[in-house]
Formats: sequence, C-alpha cells, structure tokens
Amino acid sequence: QSVLTQPPSVSAAPGRTVTISCSGSSSNIGSNYVSWYQQLPGTAPKVLIYDNNERPSGIPDRFSGSKSGTSATLGITGLQTGDEADYYCGTWDSLSDGEVFGGGTKLTVL
Amino acid sequence: EVQLVESGGGLVQPGGSLRLSCAASGFTVSDSYMSWVRQAPGKGLEWVSIIYSGGGTYYADSVKGRFTISRDNSKNTLFFQMNSLRAEDTAVFYCARDRYPGSHVYWGQGTLVTVSS
Repeated sequence: QSVLTQPPSVSAAPGRTVTISCSGSSSNIGSNYVSWYQQLPGTAPKVLIYDNNERPSGIPDRFSGSKSGTSATLGITGLQTGDEADYYCGTWDSLSDGEVFGGGTKLTVL
Repeated sequence: EVQLVESGGGLVQPGGSLRLSCAASGFTVSDSYMSWVRQAPGKGLEWVSIIYSGGGTYYADSVKGRFTISRDNSKNTLFFQMNSLRAEDTAVFYCARDRYPGSHVYWGQGTLVTVSS
C-alpha cells in the first residue's frame, strides 16, 4: 500500500490528453514539492516534473504538473505511442522523514 | 555530462551481505544529496536511503539497522552496504542524485539484487 495514491492505469488515443492524479496528505504533498517520473519499459526512471510544475531541459511542454492542497496532477497533451510507460509521483514526507512514492500509473496509448 | 553507474548486485542467500557501488561522474558526490531507490520485480518504486551533503543519513523503516549508505569522496562513489538480506529485498537498486530530499534529478541504470537460496 503506497503512501501516495495514483490510479493503476489510464488510457487514451494518440493525440488526446490525459491526466494522472496523485493524492497524499498534509505531511507529504501538502507541505513539500512534488516530482513526477516516467519509466519506459525496461529502463530506469526519468524525471519529467519537479517542484510541482517545473520541467527539466529537454522535457517537451506536452508534459505539465500542478498541485492543489494535498493532491497533484500530471498532464500529458498530444499523446504519442512513445509515451506508453509507468508514471510515478514522489515527494518527501515530513512526518516519517523519508521519501514516498505513488504506486505508479500505467499509461496505454490506444 | 552527469553519469551514475551502479555495480555490485547479484545473487545472495538469505542472511547474507552485499555492497553496492555507484560511481559518479560530471559532479561531486560529496556536494550532493544522494539516494538509493529500489524496485521489486513487477512492483513500484520504493525509497530506501539518502545521504545529505553534510553527511546526515536517513533510511526507510524496512531497511533501518540492516543497510548503511556511505560515500568515498576520493573515488566520487556512493556505497550501500546491505546486511541480513531477506527474500523481500530482491529488487533492482537505483542510485540517484537529488536536487533536494525527495527530488531525484539523475538516475543510474540500476543493479539487480536477488536474495534466494
């Protein structure tokens, strides 16, 4: 049981938009920045979003992040087949003094 | 260019020990927050430990007292000493350079640890 709650799977057609939610509590999302990671099959995770809504250089603006209260959302527009991957949210938890992740969301581009 | 290369994984019996290494290039390990994150087969990501630039260390409850994170500044390398290994420790272990605790900037390719008799 992960501390952060994500939907196990989402799907959408190429070119469409999808959002992935991440729900936590006041000790984690509510008081710390959220990051989002993409893990393509058989590879290491890669950061997509940090500080709730910032994109590292090289990450296309099709990917966006937002946070409100104790929830965060990853948005992906103009879906491509290459976006099929597992997506994880993560943040620090001030109560446990450790990092917490969501259980991951598998994105299928139909 | 930042690179993180893990090594040291392998097959070990329950109760055994293993030391993972993460050789870094393109930045200074001792000036950075560095973490270990693991992923059991077919499962999600699980944070296990972090070492601060100042030397402070934190561990997940699941490994506290059994695993130790450390670094060798002269070799610019991060280590993870794992003792009293259990079957549930079987996972790919990734090292990561962090922007701050809870925000991983760069990830290594991972090294597989299998605990089995």
